[in-house]
Amino acid sequence: NAGVTQTPKFRVLKTGQSMTLLCAQDMNHEYMYWYRQDPGMGLRLIHYSVGEGTTAKGEVPDGYNVSRLKKQNFLLGLESAAPSQTSVYFCASTLSGGASDTQYFGPGTRLTVL
Amino acid sequence: GQNIDQPTEMTATEGAIVQINCTYQTSGFNGLFWYQQHAGEAPTFLSYNVLDGLEEKGRFSSFLSRSKGYSYLLLKELQMKDSASYLCASLDSNYQLIWGAGTKLIIKP
Repeated sequence: NAGVTQTPKFRVLKTGQSMTLLCAQDMNHEYMYWYRQDPGMGLRLIHYSVGEGTTAKGEVPDGYNVSRLKKQNFLLGLESAAPSQTSVYFCASTLSGGASDTQYFGPGTRLTVL
Repeated sequence: GQNIDQPTEMTATEGAIVQINCTYQTSGFNGLFWYQQHAGEAPTFLSYNVLDGLEEKGRFSSFLSRSKGYSYLLLKELQMKDSASYLCASLDSNYQLIWGAGTKLIIKP
């Protein structure tokens, strides 16, 4: 049982390049989330999904797109990377989105945009 | 607006007790979470409170006062491995977590 995994762990991009971050969970969780974590700030929600085939915007969605074609996978895309997107990106999942549901996090992807 | 406040950094001594405070203002309230995050790692769940009072779980306890918009995390018998950031997060009316910036706890021998 691997829990939540993220690919890649590290990436350096040049401004304007595109990339996709992959999140996978093997816990049969319905809800999945993408956050970014920047120094001195709390985790900020980018996009989330309440089930296969659904996506919704979070607090900071601009510049990002997501897809949830399979229940176990949640992809985060950057179409044209900008230096402001330099951050650590965390994926998380919960069983059903209930009030007491624990969010389980992946190990993170450290992205630098030059 | 929505806001979570917690101290940026705290220092404590191995074997001692430390209390990390958190105040929150969110649109609606469905509970308060505490997570631990070691440097370079993912956050991991510590506690969840939705009712007023103290919840004890081994060396860690968490307290909530809904009327005051206040919570604290109490760590007893501090160990070096407790050196980490502690994240407070409030679950708002849309069942989305609003996160504080975290409190970096430094444990000295």
